[in-house]
Amino acid sequence: GNSVTQMEGPVTLSEEAFLTINCTYTATGYPSLFWYVQYPGEGLQLLLKATKADDKGSNKGFEATYRKETTSFHLEKGSVQVSDSAVYFCALRSGSRLTFGEGTQLTVNP
Amino acid sequence: SAVISQKPSRDICQRGTSLTIQCQVDSQVTMMFWYRQQPGQSLTLIATANQGSEATYESGFVIDKFPISRPNLTFSTLTVSNMSPEDSSIYLCSVEGRGDTEAFFGQGTRLTVV
Repeated sequence: GNSVTQMEGPVTLSEEAFLTINCTYTATGYPSLFWYVQYPGEGLQLLLKATKADDKGSNKGFEATYRKETTSFHLEKGSVQVSDSAVYFCALRSGSRLTFGEGTQLTVNP
Repeated sequence: SAVISQKPSRDICQRGTSLTIQCQVDSQVTMMFWYRQQPGQSLTLIATANQGSEATYESGFVIDKFPISRPNLTFSTLTVSNMSPEDSSIYLCSVEGRGDTEAFFGQGTRLTVV
């Protein structure tokens, strides 16, 4: 079956630090890949997506590239802010089903 | 995109009681999804609700415990029945965007069972 594996958290960074959250997946066919963000006390919001190999999704300074050869979709941001503190979920869609990773808690300190 | 209103946003319930969560979408959608997010965990799909047919439940979830209604293309309810403290979680409804591959989520219902 499909699966998504995220790097273990929590991750704590200082403001303006570089962020990488690793995500690898296992799936049949050609899934679409997503990063969702969950701010404290809220539901999930789509952060970015990529629907085919070598696509780069980007939003709010975050980027992730769909790497089929390494089955990865790592999330990066060059300079994090305190407001980026949240839980980040990597996910894939195959057919109508979404499969989520475990989530990574990010805390950014001023 | 789709805007999803979910209520209640939170509740504290006594064990043995039931809670019904409502999910309203601002557009017609074929499938609606219900997820559970236990404390510190990822999302687990409970069931998929199609209008006009019974919901399809994932392994480990049964209709008697989580009955779902889907009376029309914009609305669904999930009931958590005979609650125990282990049911304390965030429950989220979700829909797929028309013509998109992404999913949209309600803000969630934070349930605490005491």
